[in-house]
Amino acid sequence: DSGVTQTPKHLITATGQRVTLRCSPRSGDLSVYWYQQSLDQGLQFLIQYYNGEERAKGNILERFSAQQFPDLHSELNLSSLELGDSALYFCASSDGWTNEKLFFGSGTQLSVL
Amino acid sequence: SQQGEEDPQALSIQEGENATMNCSYKTSINNLQWYRQNSGRGLVHLILIRSNEREKHSGRLRVTLDTSKKSSSLLITASRAADTASYFCATGKIIFGKGTRLHILP
Repeated sequence: DSGVTQTPKHLITATGQRVTLRCSPRSGDLSVYWYQQSLDQGLQFLIQYYNGEERAKGNILERFSAQQFPDLHSELNLSSLELGDSALYFCASSDGWTNEKLFFGSGTQLSVL
Repeated sequence: SQQGEEDPQALSIQEGENATMNCSYKTSINNLQWYRQNSGRGLVHLILIRSNEREKHSGRLRVTLDTSKKSSSLLITASRAADTASYFCATGKIIFGKGTRLHILP
């Protein structure tokens, strides 16, 4: 058990809809990272938050947004969903100082029909 | 990933044999890490090697790093069925490539 909790585990929705994925980091970790994993793209880094503030941005679409709350949990919002957004979405956390070792959650499988 | 990749893409070996997979990257790094991913699950950190290290061991894992060639290798000795997984290299938050899918045959 990595200590990182993601909910829900599975999500099925329709094109055009909006969904929210939730992540609770390991106790004490200040950094949260979001990744998208699809079969043809590998693991794509989306965005990183550190102690409530955006730290780094990767290949995140404008339709996607995220935030980290004062209790350090994070949410990834995906809107105007398209079929191609179907993927595994992972959250990871780290202490934020060294960024050397990431602890991953078990992921949310998003299916857009 | 344009910043690096693992090689081979897939590898099947008999249980008990050694498995070697490689990673090439394009950026300068402070350290390089290897992660394992069991099917559909989150990545698990295996080992970290710093840029001033050439080789590191952890149990049945051996990692080498050649910063001049911007490459690393992961050796798993005496493979077991439980080693069946995908293996990724990474630096910091950047996970390189699509991983090496390792399948251990009984």
